[in-house]
Amino acid sequence: SQQGEEDPQALSIQEGENATMNCSYKTSINNLQWYRQNSGRGLVHLILIRSNEREKHSGRLRVTLDTSKKSSSLLITASRAADTASYFCATARSYNTDKLIFGTGTRLQVFP
Amino acid sequence: DGGITQSPKYLFRKEGQNVTLSCEQNLNHDAMYWYRQDPGQGLRLIYYSQIVNDFQKGDIAEGYSVSREKKESFPLTVTSAQKNPTAFYLCASSFGTGLSNQPQHFGDGTRLSIL
Repeated sequence: SQQGEEDPQALSIQEGENATMNCSYKTSINNLQWYRQNSGRGLVHLILIRSNEREKHSGRLRVTLDTSKKSSSLLITASRAADTASYFCATARSYNTDKLIFGTGTRLQVFP
Repeated sequence: DGGITQSPKYLFRKEGQNVTLSCEQNLNHDAMYWYRQDPGQGLRLIYYSQIVNDFQKGDIAEGYSVSREKKESFPLTVTSAQKNPTAFYLCASSFGTGLSNQPQHFGDGTRLSIL
C-alpha cells in the first residue's frame, strides 16, 4: 500500500540553486524519514522528524512537517553536483509496531 | 567501520533454481529487513526480523524465505516459486526492536537477474 507520494518525480537544477521536494501521505504518522539513494547503491538516512516536530535541520538540509496537511518537504540549499540522487520519504504509521512505507522517490539532477 | 554487507553484488538465476542472498551486519542491531526495489519504484518489504530465531512476513513474502539464526546475519532465499525475481534487493537494519521509530541502515544491494 502506498503511503508517501513524492513530488515532483524528477527535478533538474544548476549547482548553487536550492532544491525542494515534497511528500504527501494518507494516514496519521508517528514519524517521517527522508533517505537518499545514489544510483545503484543502498539508501542513506538523512533526517527523521517526529509527528510533534515541525522543522528539523541537518547541514544544508531542512525538513518541514505539516501534519494538518499530511505533507512534508525536504529543502537542499546551495545544491552541489554530489547531491544528484533519488530522494525518498518513508512514513511510520504507529509507534513500535508498524513498518516504514516508502514513496516512489524524487530524482534530483544537479548540473555543474 | 560498522556497516551492512550484502553479497553478491550481482546474481543470476536459472529457471527452477533457488538462490540465496547474503546480508551481514556488525552494527549490533536487533532488527533486520529485506526490501525489493523495482526500476523507478520505492521499496517494498519482503521480510523482517526483530530478534534472533523470529521473523515476520512483509507485504510481498510469497516466493521468498529467510532465516535468522544469528543476530548478525539475515539471508534471503529467492525460491523457484517467485516468478518475477528480477529486481534490486536491499537489506537493512535498525537499532532496537521498534520497527519504525529508528533510522534504517542499508547495504549496497544485490541485483538479481534471470538467465
